[in-house]
Amino acid sequence: GENVEQHPSTLSVQEGDSAVIKCTYSDSASNYFPWYKQELGKGPQLIIDIRSNVGEKKDQRIAVTLNKTAKHFSLHITETQPEDSAVYFCAYSSGNGNQFYFGTGTSLTVIP
Amino acid sequence: GAVVSQHPSRVICKSGTSVKIECRSLDFQATTMFWYRQFPKQSLMLMATSNEGSKATYEQGVEKDKFLINHASLTLSTLTVTSAHPEDSSFYICSAAPGGYNNEQFFGPGTRLTVL
Repeated sequence: GENVEQHPSTLSVQEGDSAVIKCTYSDSASNYFPWYKQELGKGPQLIIDIRSNVGEKKDQRIAVTLNKTAKHFSLHITETQPEDSAVYFCAYSSGNGNQFYFGTGTSLTVIP
Repeated sequence: GAVVSQHPSRVICKSGTSVKIECRSLDFQATTMFWYRQFPKQSLMLMATSNEGSKATYEQGVEKDKFLINHASLTLSTLTVTSAHPEDSSFYICSAAPGGYNNEQFFGPGTRLTVL
């Protein structure tokens, strides 16, 4: 299965607050879960990723958590800044080669 | 490291003409390259997967004779939109995968195609 549910589709937060985006997948063979940030008119940029043998990974203000039992993974952005405003996509790889399955995207707006 | 370029960044063409888009991995060898298209406010839709030296694998519903993909080297893949029509107008994005266990993909900056 290639289904990836991503929520919410839009998210507005005040500068300094936290933002959380969640994705749910169906393929239990999934082993790689990247998150991408896409600014208007640009290609997706990898911001953080996690593999199935790890439950959480953090990089400064960004963290990703993975719950393999529930088949969901989440992106956490703390102390949000206006430049965090963009569309964020989750993705996963099923392990059958490198093919990615993408979520539907979340448009994040950080209000100054 | 892991930089992927695309050329051109934007192109406007007349209906019926063909357009070629190049995707290059600048500082690594890509065993696999992917081509996506993205409509406004939508997610990326995989069009095809190409491995160096072999024929591309197209996703269901993608016409292989219309979207010609060539992956002649480990650093270059091209997508040619043949006999373009206005409905082909879209944002085309490539990605390149170094291969191996990591499963990572690195994306190009995209090409905005407008067919008049």
